[in-house]
Amino acid sequence: EVQLVESGGGLVKPGGSLRLSCAASGFTFTSYNMNWVRQTPGKGLEWVASISSSRDSIYYADSVKGRFTISRDNAKNSIYLQMNSLRAEDTALYYCARDLGWYFQHWGLGTLVTVSS
Amino acid sequence: IQLTQSPSSLSASVGDRVTITCRASQGIASGLAWYQQKPGKPPKLMIYDGSSLESWVPSRFSGRRSGTDFTLTITSLQPEDFATYYCQQFDSFPHWLSFGGGTRVEI
Repeated sequence: EVQLVESGGGLVKPGGSLRLSCAASGFTFTSYNMNWVRQTPGKGLEWVASISSSRDSIYYADSVKGRFTISRDNAKNSIYLQMNSLRAEDTALYYCARDLGWYFQHWGLGTLVTVSS
Repeated sequence: IQLTQSPSSLSASVGDRVTITCRASQGIASGLAWYQQKPGKPPKLMIYDGSSLESWVPSRFSGRRSGTDFTLTITSLQPEDFATYYCQQFDSFPHWLSFGGGTRVEI
């Protein structure tokens, strides 16, 4: 069974940093591209970043480009999202998601990030 | 490409036929998926490539494309279908993925 477990969320002040982690199990991790997607009540679902299985292709939404960095450790079956210069509008539930082509076939339960002073 | 979903919400009864539309701006989307989300749960992929059903999806669900319009149809609404549905598209160049605003299906 595919399992994705996010961690690392919390309360952070504007301008601060946070690192999210996602531990994957139940599938051959090195065969799949991975993604971060976030959800807010007001703005709905928003794709954040993608990383290919071999880490040679990385993409970001314009809203986070230059502030967020996606990475993966294939030895640990994990992906990460380093979030810097956080803003109030980054407040969201952050999901880790596994690819099916460029769709999101499996999702974790999410980790909540709140940016507030 | 931006996705406009309609309606944003609808009320229906068990047994009703329901259709949700997702319209892509700036021409034709490269690929489109539909997701179902229930409260407190992550979205679940239902349909990809416009009309291919995931294995868990009942046959009363279908997806179709007509030009730049994509539709999700539920032929006979069941109690477990009350949820919020989202469309999602991707463009291969530049690399971009986006979601529609969602359609809440209520009793």
